[in-house]
Amino acid sequence: SQQGEEDPQALSIQEGENATMNCSYKTSINNLQWYRQNSGRGLVHLILIRSNEREKHSGRLRVTLDTSKKSSSLLITASRAADTASYFCATDATLDSWGKLQFGAGTQVVVTP
Amino acid sequence: DGGITQSPKYLFRKEGQNVTLSCEQNLNHDAMYWYRQDPGQGLRLIYYSQIVNDFQKGDIAEGYSVSREKKESFPLTVTSAQKNPTAFYLCASSVILQGNEQFFGPGTRLTVL
Repeated sequence: SQQGEEDPQALSIQEGENATMNCSYKTSINNLQWYRQNSGRGLVHLILIRSNEREKHSGRLRVTLDTSKKSSSLLITASRAADTASYFCATDATLDSWGKLQFGAGTQVVVTP
Repeated sequence: DGGITQSPKYLFRKEGQNVTLSCEQNLNHDAMYWYRQDPGQGLRLIYYSQIVNDFQKGDIAEGYSVSREKKESFPLTVTSAQKNPTAFYLCASSVILQGNEQFFGPGTRLTVL
């Protein structure tokens, strides 16, 4: 079963705009990760946020985590055409002692010039 | 040049045939994983392995088999018992610690003719 669910399913924006996507999950987690997947390729790790953290930044990426609401958001600022990809959240549930990840269905982002 | 490789990139199979997908990593990771991805969906875990000569079923193991004879290699066999094998298959590896990122290969697209 999928632990995380991303929202929206698809997002279309213009270059320079910000893109925000959300992830909700069901059970307690150790950490939450975001990955990017370009069409037909493997996933690339973007950022990891631990359950005791509330916000994390990496370049143009900003991730927040609200464990009380069991949700996370990924913000991409000043988007570029190269940001066109699918974005997945993945959770590491506390019940899984060795860190197996559960992936959501992803948000497909299209950035137009 | 460290990384994780998968071969072949594209694979075509006739119904009733078994096929084996290759996955090799030179990252010295203990853990390796196989995922299946269907169009517009997230990743579903097929099998995982934490150590050589040991592996565990994931969420959708029926119709698949794996082996882990070497740390670097984790081949996946899609058997004729898998009723709907056409999909994109992704292999990943990680250090066995909670919260560590997974490194993904480029994927193999399997089509059953």
